Amino acid sequence: QVQLRESGPGLVKPSQTLSLTCTVSGGSISSGGYYWSWIRQPAGKGLEWIGRIYTTGTTNYNPSLRSRVTMSVDTSKNQFFLRLSSVTAADTAVYYCAREIVVVVAARAHWYFDLWGRGTLVTVSS
Amino acid sequence: QSVLTQPPSVSGAPGQRVTISCTGSSSNIGAGYDVHWYQHLPGTAPKLLIYNNINRPSGVPDRFSGSKSGTSASLAITGLRAEDEADYYCQSYDSTLSGVLFGGGTKLTVL
Repeated sequence: QVQLRESGPGLVKPSQTLSLTCTVSGGSISSGGYYWSWIRQPAGKGLEWIGRIYTTGTTNYNPSLRSRVTMSVDTSKNQFFLRLSSVTAADTAVYYCAREIVVVVAARAHWYFDLWGRGTLVTVSS
Repeated sequence: QSVLTQPPSVSGAPGQRVTISCTGSSSNIGAGYDVHWYQHLPGTAPKLLIYNNINRPSGVPDRFSGSKSGTSASLAITGLRAEDEADYYCQSYDSTLSGVLFGGGTKLTVL
């Protein structure tokens, strides 16, 4: 079955760029018409959607993070990536990658996440 | 503060029924966007429980059910079991924010 796994540095210095990789195994990232997303959860807080990418490279970002987020995809490696620039302590969180589905009904797009990785903790500290 | 409001905690004894509410507004649930629910045990991958308001993915027991009315949605769990103890999140789309949003989460304790 398809599985997602996040990887990357667990510690990033303030003002630097956070970089994470999500590796998709058990299936092709290019099949099924799925979108691929990043979500984070600061300690003791709720989930926050960061953004999504399609295998064509099309992206949508959370407006609150848009100026600092870049997502990309490498279909040959079955991986997609997150870069978050100019990080501060507020960016300390568990970061999840997820597979996202969209259902369009009556001109409304309904997005949800049917598969998640286990998450990776990223701490921003000097 | 989340735009989707959930109670911070709910509890129930084994075998009982509990419900978790998710209250939104006219720019998300009230605008006709579907609500989805996730179960999350810390340290594990969140699990999709309910999608498009009422649908259960394969493998999710029918003890879990979802509903939606107006600007709110609810997750009901019947026949509570110890393994149901987890955090539960609702999720929808907001047209004002132009993005996906989650509720603040509800911690379910099985007494």
